[in-house]
Amino acid sequence: AQSVTQLDSQVPVFEEAPVELRCNYSSSVSVYLFWYVQYPNQGLQLLLKYLSGSTLVKGINGFEAEFNKSQTSFHLRKPSVHISDTAEYFCAVRPPHGSGNTGKLIFGQGTTLQVKP
Amino acid sequence: ETGVTQSPTHLIKTRGQQVTLRCSSQSGHNTVSWYQQALGQGPQFIFQYYREEENGRGNFPPRFSGLQFPNYSSELNVNALELDDSALYLCASSSLGQGAGELFFGEGSRLTVL
Repeated sequence: AQSVTQLDSQVPVFEEAPVELRCNYSSSVSVYLFWYVQYPNQGLQLLLKYLSGSTLVKGINGFEAEFNKSQTSFHLRKPSVHISDTAEYFCAVRPPHGSGNTGKLIFGQGTTLQVKP
Repeated sequence: ETGVTQSPTHLIKTRGQQVTLRCSSQSGHNTVSWYQQALGQGPQFIFQYYREEENGRGNFPPRFSGLQFPNYSSELNVNALELDDSALYLCASSSLGQGAGELFFGEGSRLTVL
């Protein structure tokens, strides 16, 4: 079975500072990895995904993440945050095989990014 | 291209009642999955529908059931509501057989059970 741990429940940071949101996963099989963002009172929006290939993945809004298989991590980074980045961020995994798994993501508990002026 | 839409956006029920939540999938998508997101938690997978049949289920009791219609829209039904069913219910659509099947989420239906 797969599981996801987001190591920080809240991350406060000043505007224009760099940020890293940490995610570790547990799985006995290979997985697909995702980061989603949720703004207040909204659904989830995909930031980026790792399926295979290059371990550095670039996403929308200047975010990027690095897949580290040996450390089973998929940390999200942004070199300079904006006030508008304040939101809840979720790391998720999905087994790549099996039609019944297509819509089944396993999410972490979420990290609240608070960008201060 | 229309996105995933859900209705109603908010509703209040009492314990023991039944509720139906609706979802219209994104154009071209044939798979719908439902998630429950309790306050302060990550979403949890309830089940997935493909070709009008459930083909994947999370750890939820049978009183959580669903339907998928020929136009790929879907319903989530919850019977005998309990206080712990209060949550944001998210619908996501995807296309089985296309790449990694990226999920596109609606904005959710917030259910409060009193």
